[in-house]
Amino acid sequence: AQSVTQLGSHVSVSEGALVLLRCNYSSSVPPYLFWYVQYPNQGLQLLLKYTTGATLVKGINGFEAEFKKSETSFHLTKPSAHMSDAAEYFCAVSDSDSWGKLQFGAGTQVVVTP
Amino acid sequence: EAQVTQNPRYLITVTGKKLTVTCSQNMNHEYMSWYRQDPGLGLRQIYYSMNVEVTDKGDVPEGYKVSRKEKRNFPLILESPSPNQTSLYFCASSPRGGSTDTQYFGPGTRLTVL
Repeated sequence: AQSVTQLGSHVSVSEGALVLLRCNYSSSVPPYLFWYVQYPNQGLQLLLKYTTGATLVKGINGFEAEFKKSETSFHLTKPSAHMSDAAEYFCAVSDSDSWGKLQFGAGTQVVVTP
Repeated sequence: EAQVTQNPRYLITVTGKKLTVTCSQNMNHEYMSWYRQDPGLGLRQIYYSMNVEVTDKGDVPEGYKVSRKEKRNFPLILESPSPNQTSLYFCASSPRGGSTDTQYFGPGTRLTVL
């Protein structure tokens, strides 16, 4: 069975500072990993995903994440936070055995301060 | 515009009064799914459908029903709602439900059961 742990339910960053959101997973088979973002009063939208190949994945809005198998991690980063990055971020995992099923983490709420 | 729509967006009801939340997608996706989002728990899957007339339980199916009579529609039915079903509900779709597919989410339905 898969599971996802997101460290920190709330993160506060200053505008222009590094954004780092942590995600660790467990999976008995090679995982597929996703980051979704939820802006206020909206549905989730995909930021980026790792399936195979290059372990450093670039997404929309300047975000990127690196798949580290040895650490079972898929942390999300952005070098310089913008006010518009204030949202809730969800890490999710699936694998080849879980057709159609995404397992989500609890989410991390990001607040950006001027 | 490619989208997933849900109606209603907000609903307040009373215990035991049957309700239906509609979901429709215009992307000709085979796979559709319902999630509920609760604080600190992330998104949990209620039911999913791999295609017309093919549905299966997710992680938290108790108290819910679904049907998939047409490819574009996937309504969620609460035959006898209870207060513990107060939550934010999301419908999602993806092309085939593959493990690497991106899921596209609707805007959410906030349900309050009194």
